Amino acid sequence: DTGVSQDPRHKITKRGQNVTFRCDPISEHNRLYWYRQTLGQGPEFLTYFQNEAQLEKSRLLSDRFSAERPKGSFSTLEIQRTEQGDSAMYLCASSLVFGEGLYNEQFFGPGTRLTVL
Amino acid sequence: DAKTTQPTSMDCAEGRAANLPCNHSTISGNEYVYWYRQIHSQGPQYIIHGLKNNETNEMASLIITEDRKSSTLILPHATLRDTAVYYCIVRVHGGSNYKLTFGKGTLLTVNP
Repeated sequence: DTGVSQDPRHKITKRGQNVTFRCDPISEHNRLYWYRQTLGQGPEFLTYFQNEAQLEKSRLLSDRFSAERPKGSFSTLEIQRTEQGDSAMYLCASSLVFGEGLYNEQFFGPGTRLTVL
Repeated sequence: DAKTTQPTSMDCAEGRAANLPCNHSTISGNEYVYWYRQIHSQGPQYIIHGLKNNETNEMASLIITEDRKSSTLILPHATLRDTAVYYCIVRVHGGSNYKLTFGKGTLLTVNP
């Protein structure tokens, strides 16, 4: 399967612990996105990378959140000192963008479901 | 990006056509209409997009009204596996537009 993969699929943690999620995009895709989805809502944009550069962060991404894409391939999203409000599905997507990004279909992974107790 | 309005939920009988409406009355001339769907416990999946002409692919058809203020996604022969939340999104291509802005979507339930 050459789609977007995420690991782990489920994570249960206690409040105050740190967690890290990994996303492996489709191999030739140069853009990688992170979204968060809470119950009953559509996904909300968190941040995105163009190759290894993080170009935009939503105000939803507090100082406790950090994302990296060190070699322009896989990405990690870390949440420090987790809170119960961080419980959500964390979705990763990737896309291939040419020039000004005339076509930007995003392919999503299955998500990581985080539960903070 | 322009705002979209979709019904909260719809039902459809298996084998029948599912017609999902979307209103986007404030759409700009350079904004495309995109449809994604999300099956339970999976990530969203791209379905189709269009600017002003009707579009068809192996998954669905997209009908955009002449004034572009509304559109309809058509699944010609719905199956139980089409049960999902369907999101209508309008967005420009290129430039700094890099994110998808999802609403709550329409929960389509296909019944046997």
